[in-house]
Amino acid sequence: DGGITQSPKYLFRKEGQNVTLSCEQNLNHDAMYWYRQDPGQGLRLIYYSQIVNDFQKGDIAEGYSVSREKKESFPLTVTSAQKNPTAFYLCASSRQGVKRDTQYFGPGTRLTVL
Amino acid sequence: AQTVTQSQPEMSVQEAETVTLSCTYDTSESNYYLFWYKQPPSRQMILVIRQEAYKQQNATENRFSVNFQKAAKSFSLKISDSQLGDTAMYFCAFTSGGGADGLTFGKGTHLIIQP
Repeated sequence: DGGITQSPKYLFRKEGQNVTLSCEQNLNHDAMYWYRQDPGQGLRLIYYSQIVNDFQKGDIAEGYSVSREKKESFPLTVTSAQKNPTAFYLCASSRQGVKRDTQYFGPGTRLTVL
Repeated sequence: AQTVTQSQPEMSVQEAETVTLSCTYDTSESNYYLFWYKQPPSRQMILVIRQEAYKQQNATENRFSVNFQKAAKSFSLKISDSQLGDTAMYFCAFTSGGGADGLTFGKGTHLIIQP
């Protein structure tokens, strides 16, 4: 089955540690995205990537880093510089073309800082 | 910068009723796309419906339809014959047609369908 997988489902981090959230898709989509969701808030864009080896900052990129070495993978690292990392993180992907394509989402990772 | 506003934090209706969720947006662009996503308690984001701004006809998907008023920058979602499984957070989202950036979301409406 084609889809987007995120791992782990739950992640606990001690203050001062970097952690990496995994996102993999087998939909052959060119574009991938990372969003953050806080209680009572909509999703906010962290980073996005349109092609391999290229990515752009979103609205709240500070304290996060990404890489896009393969088309199907777009891992997100939450660094110790992120002051309030506890949140729900969602990865999405879409095709790219002339028309803006629909973004499809993974199941999410819940990150908690202890 | 684009903004998306959902003015109803929570709504509750009886099963089988019709309910309308409101969404307004602000943009200076003429080519853009609007979406409604559903997030049930599982937290999986599910696409409900999509509207392309250049299309005058309102999008429809089974029991879900939109009322797209481009001049008023309004994009409401109507759910007919509501079902218990429609209980979820509903998010309105916007993306421009020219760029390659992500979606801008509203803060969501929590819809509760009562039996």
